[in-house]
Amino acid sequence: GNSVTQMEGPVTLSEEAFLTINCTYTATGYPSLFWYVQYPGEGLQLLLKATKADDKGSNKGFEATYRKETTSFHLEKGSVQVSDSAVYFCALSDQSGAGSYQLTFGKGTKLSVIP
Amino acid sequence: GAGVSQSPSNKVTEKGKDVELRCDPISGHTALYWYRQRLGQGLEFLIYFQGNSAPDKSGLPSDRFSAERTGESVSTLTIQRTQQEDSAVYLCASSSPRYFLGDTQYFGPGTRLTVL
Repeated sequence: GNSVTQMEGPVTLSEEAFLTINCTYTATGYPSLFWYVQYPGEGLQLLLKATKADDKGSNKGFEATYRKETTSFHLEKGSVQVSDSAVYFCALSDQSGAGSYQLTFGKGTKLSVIP
Repeated sequence: GAGVSQSPSNKVTEKGKDVELRCDPISGHTALYWYRQRLGQGLEFLIYFQGNSAPDKSGLPSDRFSAERTGESVSTLTIQRTQQEDSAVYLCASSSPRYFLGDTQYFGPGTRLTVL
């Protein structure tokens, strides 16, 4: 079956530090890959996505590249801000036998950025 | 509406009671998903609706869980004879009808269920 493994947190960084959150996946098909973010007190929202190998998703200074050869989709940001403090979820979408495009999520990584 | 809405936002119930959770998807989104997020865990898929097709129920953890959807609008998730392990945040998501792996799913704020 499908699975997503992401680095466990919590991760605490100083403002302007470089961020990497590792994510690897196992899929039976050829999935699309996503990073979702959950800010404190808010709902889950899409951060970025990539739908085919070597695609780079980017948004709000975050980026991740779909690496088929290493089955990875690591999230990076060059300079984090306090406002980036949130829980980050890596996920994949692969069509199930019953036809749905359900998301399979990692367990989430909590990021705290301190001034 | 502007986004996916869910009600109630919080529900506290006693073990053995039935609960009903509601989801209003984004207008025009024919695909609707329910997920569960238990403490310290990622989201788990529960059930999927797409238009008038038969739902994908493969993620429902037991026969105490069921869900319905009226056409392409509101969905309700029902948990019968609740157990303490049902305590979780239940999230609903909808997406546009493009039948594409890369479709973005838009999530509601969730219902936090606590079973005492």
